[in-house]
Amino acid sequence: DVKVTQSSRYLVKRTGEKVFLECVQDMDHENMFWYRQDPGLGLRLIYFSYDVKMKEKGDIPEGYSVSREKKERFSLILESTSTNQTSMYLCASRFSSAEAFFGQGTRLTVV
Amino acid sequence: GQQLNQSPQSMFIQEGEDVSMNCTSSSIFNTWLWYKQDPGEGPVLLIALYKAGELTSNGRLTAQFGITRKDSFLNISASIPSDVGIYFCAGHPHRTSGSRLTFGEGTQLTVNP
Repeated sequence: DVKVTQSSRYLVKRTGEKVFLECVQDMDHENMFWYRQDPGLGLRLIYFSYDVKMKEKGDIPEGYSVSREKKERFSLILESTSTNQTSMYLCASRFSSAEAFFGQGTRLTVV
Repeated sequence: GQQLNQSPQSMFIQEGEDVSMNCTSSSIFNTWLWYKQDPGEGPVLLIALYKAGELTSNGRLTAQFGITRKDSFLNISASIPSDVGIYFCAGHPHRTSGSRLTFGEGTQLTVNP
C-alpha cells in the first residue's frame, strides 16, 4: 500500500512562531504537493514539487515556503504564523499522469 | 486555479437509498479521480478513470468517465451510515503541463439510519 505520512495530526502554535510540517512518502513518487483545506473553499494548492530541490508555487503560496532535499520528503514551512493560517494541511504525492495519494492531514491552530 | 463544478454540494439521504453526484468542466480532462474524506482525515482514493466512456466499480461504488471527457459521475448504491463524508472529484486537464490536479469543491453526504 502507498503510504503518505504527515509528521503531526494536531498542532497548536502561537502567532509569530515558526512551524515545520513534514511529509514522507514511500512510493518513490516524483511529485509532491501541499494543500490547505478550509470550509467552503475546498482544497487549495500551496506549493508543489516535481523533483528533488525543485518547487513551484501553487495558488496560495504567500506566507509559506517549502523544502525538498530528498525525494521522499517534502516540508512546508510557515516562517511566522498568523491566525489566518489556522487550517487543515494536506500533503499528497503521485507519479505524473496517475492518481494522487494523501496523508492523514495536520490540523493547525494558531492562537 | 481552475475548479471543477461538483454537484450537489450536499445530500441528506436515508440508509439504503442510492446516491449520484457529478463533476463537470469546461475543458477536456485526461484523468478523473474520486476521493472520500472522513471527518478529520485525509482524502482516500476510491476510483481512478483513464479512458473516455470507462465505467469502473469498487464495491457499491460505480464511477464513469464521460464520453465528452468533460464530466464524470459517481454512484453509491444501497447507502450505509459509514458512507458519510465528503466526496471529491479530481482530474488532470488535457494539454496541461505539469503534474497538478484540479479538484471539485466536494459533496457532503449525510446518511440517516
